[in-house]
Amino acid sequence: EVQLVESGGGLVQPGGSLRLSCAASGFTFSNDWMHWVRQVPGKGLVWVSHINSDGSRTMYADSVKGRFTISRDNARNTLYLQMHSLRAEDTAVYYCARGYNVAAISHSGWFDPWGQGTLVTVSS
Amino acid sequence: DIVMTQSPDSLAVSLGERATINCKSSQSVLYSPNNKNYLAWYQQKPGQPPRLVIYWASTRESGVPDRFSGSGSGTDFTLTISSLQAEDVAVYYCQQYYSAQYSFGQGTKLEIK
Repeated sequence: EVQLVESGGGLVQPGGSLRLSCAASGFTFSNDWMHWVRQVPGKGLVWVSHINSDGSRTMYADSVKGRFTISRDNARNTLYLQMHSLRAEDTAVYYCARGYNVAAISHSGWFDPWGQGTLVTVSS
Repeated sequence: DIVMTQSPDSLAVSLGERATINCKSSQSVLYSPNNKNYLAWYQQKPGQPPRLVIYWASTRESGVPDRFSGSGSGTDFTLTISSLQAEDVAVYYCQQYYSAQYSFGQGTKLEIK
């Protein structure tokens, strides 16, 4: 069974840092793009970042560029999101998701599956 | 960046009736070399992560009931549920993957009338 399990969320003060992890199983992790998507409770989905299969290419939403870093350890089948200089508006549930490999484009296709998410709360 | 706009924001449909959700992109998501629309639909039930329903604008994901269908091309797309069931109550999102700055619609909340 393909499974993604996020961890590392919690309460952090504004300006603080947090590292999220996403443990993957049931598929060949090293073959696939991976993403982070966040969702403020009760609101919509917002893409945060992606990384290609070998970790050589990354991209970020403007709202997190320069503060967040996505990385992966293919030997451990784990995706990471290092978050610095956290703000109240970063409060959200953070999901990791696998990106489908699509020919003819230099990024991934649709996202499937998604993990259950981990809640990050930025508050003093 | 490509902006995705869904309509309506919420929708109440009677059991067994048709539900239609629209999605419009600010620029075309049709990739001419392969004539494919880079558009997906997701279903999110309360307390759950999103679930892929449709990709390539009209291809149903494995395990998704055939009452779900997707249509459209270019900038205008539709998700249709032909006969609404109680388990279809959810928020539905469209998403473009034409651009690496992936973007989602704001969501449409589907309820039972």
